[in-house]
Amino acid sequence: DGGITQSPKYLFRKEGQNVTLSCEQNLNHDAMYWYRQDPGQGLRLIYYSQIVNDFQKGDIAEGYSVSREKKESFPLTVTSAQKNPTAFYLCASTIGSYNSPLHFGNGTRLTVT
Amino acid sequence: AQSVSQHNHHVILSEAASLELGCNYSYGGTVNLFWYVQYPGQHLQLLLKYFSGDPLVKGIKGFEAEFIKSKFSFNLRKPSVQWSDTAEYFCAVNAGGFKTIFGAGTRLFVKA
Repeated sequence: DGGITQSPKYLFRKEGQNVTLSCEQNLNHDAMYWYRQDPGQGLRLIYYSQIVNDFQKGDIAEGYSVSREKKESFPLTVTSAQKNPTAFYLCASTIGSYNSPLHFGNGTRLTVT
Repeated sequence: AQSVSQHNHHVILSEAASLELGCNYSYGGTVNLFWYVQYPGQHLQLLLKYFSGDPLVKGIKGFEAEFIKSKFSFNLRKPSVQWSDTAEYFCAVNAGGFKTIFGAGTRLFVKA
């Protein structure tokens, strides 16, 4: 079955540490996205990538970094510069055209104490 | 800036009641509109979408939505809800490019 795999499901870190969230897709989709979901705020776009070795900042990119070295992988690093990192992080992909619906992974819940 | 507003954050209904969830967006050009649903413990999935043509679109599980261009709205409806419709519903808009904007979500609880 094709899909998006995010790991781990739960992640705990101490303040000041960088942490990397994994996202892998086997849908052969060109575009990949990272969203952050907070209660009452919906989904906010952190970064997106249309093709390999290219990515753009979304609405809330500060304190985050990404890489896109392979088509199927789009890891997100939450750095110590992110002021409120505790959240639910969702990875998504589309085939590449802007009217394509997003396919989502199951998410990673990050807790920073 | 583009934005999406969902009018109700929490909705509680009894089974068999009718459902309408409001969604308004702020963008004057051509848009692609989506409703996504997140059932408890599951990943977000597409419920229905509108690109062009008939403004009344039908999705999975008996849901439908109507695009009213003059009102910048894309409300979600279901004539008779079931307990299994308990979920969080998100309206989303894409106005071209790769950026999809989401509303804050509406949590629906259906009492059995």
